[in-house]
Order: sequence, then structure tokens, then C-alpha cells
Amino acid sequence: AQSVTQPDIHITVSEGASLELRCNYSYGATPYLFWYVQSPGQGLQLLLKYFSGDTLVQGIKGFEAEFKRSQSSFNLRKPSVHWSDAAEYFCAVGARNYGQNFVFGPGTRLSVLP
Amino acid sequence: DSGVTQTPKHLITATGQRVTLRCSPRSGDLSVYWYQQSLDQGLQFLIQYYNGEERAKGNILERFSAQQFPDLHSELNLSSLELGDSALYFCASSVDSGKEQYFGPGTRLTVT
Repeated sequence: AQSVTQPDIHITVSEGASLELRCNYSYGATPYLFWYVQSPGQGLQLLLKYFSGDTLVQGIKGFEAEFKRSQSSFNLRKPSVHWSDAAEYFCAVGARNYGQNFVFGPGTRLSVLP
Repeated sequence: DSGVTQTPKHLITATGQRVTLRCSPRSGDLSVYWYQQSLDQGLQFLIQYYNGEERAKGNILERFSAQQFPDLHSELNLSSLELGDSALYFCASSVDSGKEQYFGPGTRLTVT
């Protein structure tokens, strides 16, 4: 079964600074990889996804993520953070197997300083 | 708008009661997932249905049950409610297992 870790529970950055949120996964084959964002009291919104091909994927709101098979990582990046990016970010792993086939990480809460 | 709808948006009920949460998936999506999100437990996977059949089970209590109907909408039934069941309940849908999920706005359940 797959698993996901997000080492940082809470990150604070200044507006305009760059951002990198870490995600590591465990799965025997190449998984499907996702990043979601959740604003308080809202549902989760898909930021981007990786299935195969180019390991650098672009998403909405100016986010990108890079799949590194050797490191089992799928880190989320943004070159310049806006105050509206303050939210909870979840990394997720999907797999084509029976049983629990979609696993979310515990989330990283992002705070943005003005 | 993700295309996933959930009703009701808010629900307030007393301990010991039973409630039903409803979810309509995006058009074309065969799979429905239910999640519970509380402050102390984070996002917990409850159960998945695919085209009417149970596909995967997570941390779902015996007091909870779900089903997916032929028109693909799903219902989550919560019975003998306890204070600790107060949480946000999300439904998500996807075209197939393991693929991206699209989340509904959630139902906020408050048990008093």
C-alpha cells in the first residue's frame, strides 16, 4: 500500500518570497501524484497532478511540482507567494490497486506574512 | 466549482440521532469517496464506491454506512451520533480509482 509524508506541519513565508513544500511517498511502482489546497472551511481544490511524462508539472495559481523518482518526492513550488496562498496544502498518492487506492498526506499549513 | 454537490451544507443534531448526507458526483465520474475532517484527526478516508459497489474501506465506524445508487449519487448514513462525530464530511468523485478526485464543498455536522 502507498503512503505519503509531508515533513513540515507549518511553514511561514513572507509575501513575495519563494515557497517549497515537501512531499515524500512510498509505493512500489510509479504512482499518480497530486497536490491539493484547502482554504479554511472549504473543500479541497486540485492544484496539479502527475501521471507520467515530463517530471515538472504546472498547475493552477502559479504552482509547479517536480517528480523525482530517485528521491520518491513530489515537492510543490511557487516562485513568489501571495497573501491569498495562505491555506492547508495536501499531497496525495493514487494507485491502480484495490483497497485504499488514494492516500493523502497529513497536510502542511502555510502562513504568509505581509 | 468542482461539479460535486453535497447536501445539506450544515446539519445540527443531538446525540443519539441519525442523519443522512448526500453527494452527487461530477458527470461521468463512477467513483465516490467519503472523508471526515476534524481538527484533531485531520482528513480521514471513510469509504469508496465504484459504480455502485464498495471498492475500499478506511476508518469508518460501524455506526456509519454508505451506499451508491444506480444514478451514482451516494449517501452516508451516520447513526447513534456522538459529540465526537462533529466534523466536516466531504464527498469526492473521480473517473476511476487512483485518479484525481474532485471534492464537494462539504457538510458541516454539529452534534450537541
